[in-house]
Amino acid sequence: KAGVTQTPRYLIKTRGQQVTLSCSPISGHRSVSWYQQTPGQGLQFLFEYFSETQRNKGNFPGRFSGRQFSNSRSEMNVSTLELGDSALYLCASSPSPQESETQYFGPGTRLLVL
Amino acid sequence: QQQVKQSPQSLIVQKGGISIINCAYENTAFDYFPWYQQFPGKGPALLIAIRPDVSEKKEGRFTISFNKSAKQFSLHIMDSQPGDSATYFCAASKEGFKTIFGAGTRLFVKA
Repeated sequence: KAGVTQTPRYLIKTRGQQVTLSCSPISGHRSVSWYQQTPGQGLQFLFEYFSETQRNKGNFPGRFSGRQFSNSRSEMNVSTLELGDSALYLCASSPSPQESETQYFGPGTRLLVL
Repeated sequence: QQQVKQSPQSLIVQKGGISIINCAYENTAFDYFPWYQQFPGKGPALLIAIRPDVSEKKEGRFTISFNKSAKQFSLHIMDSQPGDSATYFCAASKEGFKTIFGAGTRLFVKA
């Protein structure tokens, strides 16, 4: 079974731009969570989607948004990029929210904001 | 009440030694405590996990010790190997709720 895939793997943007990251979960997994990983803050929860609905949201500004499609693929968008948004963005999938304890992570998208 | 505090930030261990990483949580509603291992360029991968109804769980060279009354749990890596060099994250979760991660420990095992 293929693992979680994320595209692109690397991205360089400038302040003020917006970016869209994509995540394809493991086949059959319907729950997708997004995390921001930085050296100082560790893994910070962004949001979780299931059946195209946002179930949980972390403490991030409204510039961070996401969505999930009917095939469970998910995208996250960051608008008006700031330097502090430079991070590794990780997507994790699980079969369902009731089985969200064990999450399978993708390799991440490394975003650099200049 | 949502924090998970992890220590140390970094750890250097000789090959064959024991690596110990500690975590403490605050919210007693958590009922699942996984440890993740992350290599450079990769996403975290589940290593071992424990529920609070047991005090210890062992899988190969990896052991979790759990102290429910102290709200603490730790990862022990026996006979540490250079291939164990990675970043380790503890976490706490409850079914249907978001997982809270510790800040991570960078382990380096010297050959």
